Amino acid sequence: AQKVTQAQTEISVVEKEDVTLDCVYETRDTTYYLFWYKQPPSGELVFLIRRNSFDEQNEISGRYSWNFQKSTSSFNFTITASQVVDSAVYFCALSGLDSGGYQKVTFGTGTKLQVIP
Amino acid sequence: DADVTQTPRNRITKTGKRIMLECSQTKGHDRMYWYRQDPGLGLRLIYYSFDVKDINKGEISDGYSVSRQAQAKFSLSLESAIPNQTALYFCATSDSGQGLGNQPQHFGDGTRLSIL
Repeated sequence: AQKVTQAQTEISVVEKEDVTLDCVYETRDTTYYLFWYKQPPSGELVFLIRRNSFDEQNEISGRYSWNFQKSTSSFNFTITASQVVDSAVYFCALSGLDSGGYQKVTFGTGTKLQVIP
Repeated sequence: DADVTQTPRNRITKTGKRIMLECSQTKGHDRMYWYRQDPGLGLRLIYYSFDVKDINKGEISDGYSVSRQAQAKFSLSLESAIPNQTALYFCATSDSGQGLGNQPQHFGDGTRLSIL
């Protein structure tokens, strides 16, 4: 069985502060993929990043960065110099194989980020 | 036009009614999914389909059925709606890609369903 835990239910920061969203996962697969999605107040889900289990390099994209550590089964997401437009619910997801050999995607419960101007 | 289109966007109906939510995509992806989102529970998979002849149950399939009418269309039905099926429903697609599970999912805008 696989599991994704986003322990932070809601976070509030003041604009321009840095914020880190935590994601801890559990899986027995040796090959798996991790994702982050953003759900702004308008409701749609937007793909942000994908990382496979063999690539532990951190990634930076503008103000966004991701820290993948297999040793702690974590895939944390940091927003630097937060902006009001970053206010959204952020989901971490894990993709592996179920018992039938099919891809199975498990989402965390999401972290609601509010950036206060 | 959106790549993944869900209809209707909102629906209010009564207990016991049959409801169909439709999803169509122009991305050319072979994999399609239906999720429901409830506050505090994230997204939970209802059904998924890897091609027209391949349909699989997700973790919460009871009370739901699906039909993959074509590669581009995947509909979700509630045969006899009940209030605890009130939720936000998302359709998603993904490319099969190389290996399993390595492609991101692309979501529709969601259908907000309320069952009274």
